[in-house]
Amino acid sequence: DAGVIQSPRHEVTEMGQEVTLRCKPISGHDYLFWYRQTMMRGLELLIYFNNNVPIDDSGMPEDRFSAKMPNASFSTLKIQPSEPRDSAVYFCASSYHFGDRGRTEAFFGQGTRLTVV
Amino acid sequence: AQSVTQLDSQVPVFEEAPVELRCNYSSSVSVYLFWYVQYPNQGLQLLLKYLSGSTLVKGINGFEAEFNKSQTSFHLRKPSVHISDTAEYFCAVSKKGAQKLVFGQGTRLTINP
Repeated sequence: DAGVIQSPRHEVTEMGQEVTLRCKPISGHDYLFWYRQTMMRGLELLIYFNNNVPIDDSGMPEDRFSAKMPNASFSTLKIQPSEPRDSAVYFCASSYHFGDRGRTEAFFGQGTRLTVV
Repeated sequence: AQSVTQLDSQVPVFEEAPVELRCNYSSSVSVYLFWYVQYPNQGLQLLLKYLSGSTLVKGINGFEAEFNKSQTSFHLRKPSVHISDTAEYFCAVSKKGAQKLVFGQGTRLTINP
């Protein structure tokens, strides 16, 4: 498997524009996570899905942020409108839960570096 | 809720010296513990994990960590570091049976020749 694939790797956009980040999880994984990494706040969990259903979005900073998972192989994180303080590296990760028998660790993508000017 | 404290933001060491990166966690329930490594401009890669069983866990690249329940610690060690170990290291915790990971702030390990 190619691992978790994120696109684009880099995104530069102007304040006020809509930004869409994309993620393809590892095939067969049933959990998908979106994280944001900044110098000030470190790694923060924004939202995660189980079997394409959002389970916990308490980390989503504001209504400007939204995430969808229309199927098991694709997820998007959208920021509309974007602001300079949204500049960060956004990571997608996926994992598989074996139920009572345990779980895999979270496998991370390479990240999308977002710069809002 | 769980939380993680990595006591050192930066650790400089000389090549071939031993290193310990400290991690303490807080939780009222049983936990899983993880160490991830992030090389420059890369995603996070798992070094090792503690789910249950032996408290001494061995991972990739010669790293190991020991789970100490009484001290709520999960320190990462390597007996002899290499230049290629230069990276940022993250300790993470999740509630047992849960998927949500909480990360520490990271420790930047710099290896000097």
